[in-house]
Amino acid sequence: KQEVTQIPAALSVPEGENLVLNCSFTDSAIYNLQWFRQDPGKGLTSLLLIQSSQREQTSGRLNASLDKSSGRSTLYIAASQPGDSATYLCAVGQTDSWGKLQFGAGTQVVVTP
Amino acid sequence: EPEVTQTPSHQVTQMGQEVILRCVPISNHLYFYWYRQILGQKVEFLVSFYNNEISEKSEIFDDQFSVERPDGSNFTLKIRSTKLEDSAMYFCASKQGTLVNTEAFFGQGTRLTVV
Repeated sequence: KQEVTQIPAALSVPEGENLVLNCSFTDSAIYNLQWFRQDPGKGLTSLLLIQSSQREQTSGRLNASLDKSSGRSTLYIAASQPGDSATYLCAVGQTDSWGKLQFGAGTQVVVTP
Repeated sequence: EPEVTQTPSHQVTQMGQEVILRCVPISNHLYFYWYRQILGQKVEFLVSFYNNEISEKSEIFDDQFSVERPDGSNFTLKIRSTKLEDSAMYFCASKQGTLVNTEAFFGQGTRLTVV
């Protein structure tokens, strides 16, 4: 059974610092991994999708890497801003499913001015 | 930009009552999903729907739950007889044609409170 873990559970950094968020998964039979942002009491906003054949994906200040064989993904957010404060979730799509996503518990990020 | 729309944003219901949560997925998407998030817990998969039928469901999705796409645009989740433990945020999601290289887009959620 797939288990998705995100470490740390919470993170506080001063504005301008780079953020590094980790996601690990136990079953490498995935076809993609997706990173989301969730603001308190709100929905999930998709940030990046990495297909299993890719090693990296970039969007603006965001960069996500994927090492499928070791079951790890890392989300880097460069030059953090207070507006980056949110919970970041990773989710993996299993090869034996119809697009079902298995979520981690998230990393709660606070960027202080 | 196209988005997934969910209504209502918040619903309060008495235990034992039926509720219907509504979603309008992005128009050219083919795969539809319901997830839920109990306060303080992980987002959990409930059900996937493709080609007008359920393609996969979790253990949570028992006989009290049903889904429907009645008119080609709406996608609904019905809970027949709500329990206190059904209180959660319910998210609808949709994906475009292929599973591998398309993102899942989520709605803003419906907060269901069972009293």
